[in-house]
Parts: sequence; C-alpha cells; structure tokens
Amino acid sequence: DQQVKQNSPSLSVQEGRISILNCDYTNSMFDYFLWYKKYPAEGPTFLISISSIKDKNEDGRFTVFLNKSAKHLSLHIVPSQPGDSAVYFCAAKGGNAGGTSYGKLTFGQGTILTVHP
Amino acid sequence: DTGVSQNPRHKITKRGQNVTFRCDPISEHNRLYWYRQTLGQGPEFLTYFQNEAQLEKSRLLSDRFSAERPKGSFSTLEIQRTEQGDSAMYLCASSSMQGEAFFGQGTRLTVV
Repeated sequence: DQQVKQNSPSLSVQEGRISILNCDYTNSMFDYFLWYKKYPAEGPTFLISISSIKDKNEDGRFTVFLNKSAKHLSLHIVPSQPGDSAVYFCAAKGGNAGGTSYGKLTFGQGTILTVHP
Repeated sequence: DTGVSQNPRHKITKRGQNVTFRCDPISEHNRLYWYRQTLGQGPEFLTYFQNEAQLEKSRLLSDRFSAERPKGSFSTLEIQRTEQGDSAMYLCASSSMQGEAFFGQGTRLTVV
C-alpha cells in the first residue's frame, strides 16, 4: 500500500528554468509534508516542509505547494541549477492512524532530477 | 561534526553471518529512527526510539533484526543470519520532539 506516490521517476530541466516535482498521498491523516534531496551514497537531506494548515511555503529558490482537497503537493525550484541534480523524495507524517503521530515518515519512491547546463 | 553519524559506511558480508551497525544521533535529539532503502525505492521505516524506549517496529523488521538504544544516545541495529534480500542501504535519522528528521549517510550492506 503505497501511501505516498511520486509518479514521475525522472525529470530533465534546462538550467535557469523551473523544475516542478509532484507528489500524491492517500492517507488523509497526514498533516505534515517534507521534501528531501539525496545525492548518491549519501543520506537524504532535509529541504523544505509544509504543514497541512498552509497551502504554500517558500524558502529561497524552493517553494512547496499543498492542495489538501486533491491530496497533492508539489515542489518548485526556480531557477534550477546543475547542483540541484539529485533524487528528490516527498515524505509525509502525522495523524494518529498507525501510530504515526510521533514523526515517522512515509516516503515516496523518489524523482531523479537532472538539470542540464 | 554535529550531524548524525553512521558506522560503518559499507559492509560486505557472507550469507548467514551476523552484522551490526551503529548510529550516533545529533546529541540533543531524543528521537531516533532506522530506515532501509533499496534501489529505486524511498526509505522504508524499520523502527523508532524515544530516548531508550523502542516504541514501534515495522512488519519489515523480522525476528532476525534487533535494534537497541541502551542509554538513549547511540543505537545499534543487528541483523542475524543475513540473507541476500537484506542487501540495502540502512539509514538512521534523529529528531527533536517537533523538528524535522536529520539523516546520517547510511550504511550500505551487501550480502554475498
């Protein structure tokens, strides 16, 4: 049961353009969402998060949008840079179902972003 | 370096051997998590500690797996009688009560 889904395995973008990574979830008990970036042979690095009481959170070049009614979130990177090339994971936590309230994360499968110079 | 530290970074073992991994969390974090990641998948939750108490174990954690956090600081994850299907990246993360989880660099296990 994949509760968090990233349906695009890969995305290729030109440097300077916008990158949009998408994520869908099924568990309505999730109330906090995060994006992590991962380089090969390293652990995931926290990027940006959003609470379910908001619909947008911005941090520099990174903006996360949340559409609760559609159970969909997206990460926008603008302008994209070659150093942004990595695997991006969407993750969710929260609620009381299954004991998730303490912060256990449920991850999507990841999207490989490649930014071409 | 005040990040999450995992040792070893890589481990190659023969099928049937036991292996143990160590995780040193960020010192002020009282929550510690173990995840496993296989190729093409996101990290999957294995187990969770709050201080020294192990509060949840995933169904992924078979009887061959055991985790401890004896003094509420570092944690160990032991796999007994390793199988080829155990080959994966084992990730440790820590967090404060309300904050985001910070991950270590992981231990890459290869069972041959």
